[in-house]
Amino acid sequence: GQQVMQIPQYQHVQEGEDFTTYCNSSTTLSNIQWYKQRPGGHPVFLIQLVKSGEVKKQKRLTFQFGEAKKNSSLHITATQTTDVGTYFCAGEAGRRALTFGSGTRLQVQP
Amino acid sequence: NAGVMQNPRHLVRRRGQEARLRCSPMKGHSHVYWYRQLPEEGLKFMVYLQKENIIDESGMPKERFSAEFPKEGPSILRIQQVVRGDSAAYFCASSPGGLGPYNEQFFGPGTRLTVL
Repeated sequence: GQQVMQIPQYQHVQEGEDFTTYCNSSTTLSNIQWYKQRPGGHPVFLIQLVKSGEVKKQKRLTFQFGEAKKNSSLHITATQTTDVGTYFCAGEAGRRALTFGSGTRLQVQP
Repeated sequence: NAGVMQNPRHLVRRRGQEARLRCSPMKGHSHVYWYRQLPEEGLKFMVYLQKENIIDESGMPKERFSAEFPKEGPSILRIQQVVRGDSAAYFCASSPGGLGPYNEQFFGPGTRLTVL
């Protein structure tokens, strides 16, 4: 079945440093979504990427969808303590439900 | 505009009891998804339902677990004869349409199930 791998599992950065998480799918995706989950909270939708090679920005966050539509990345510039949480990618292929990656847990040291 | 509502937020059951988790989707949403999350782990898809229909239950264990989304009322995830391994957070999400672009999922606060 479809698998979505996410690395790294965990990242600890100093406030102001950049952060990147990578997502790889075993199959070509029709679209990819990114979610953020704060400790003790629930996943919150951040963005969806649909087109091959698409790049979208939200303030300090940059999302990219690979040309082959099998990988994606989320880059945060100059992290802040409010960025703490777990970032999940979720891929959709065909008519199957979303497959979530295992997540990258981000800790930001003030 | 109320979001996705789940109740109870916390549920404690003894081994062998039944657990019933409820999910009311956002207004206007007819698609519901259930996920399970173990501590420090990702979200595992369980089941995808539309009103009165199960669209995809490939992630749901064959035994003891069932889900429904009746014409009226919330979606219910039912776990019979719970075991310790069922302890987890169960999240429900809803979307206005089904799968496909521009149908983000809105998550509820989750039900944290503890089996003693």
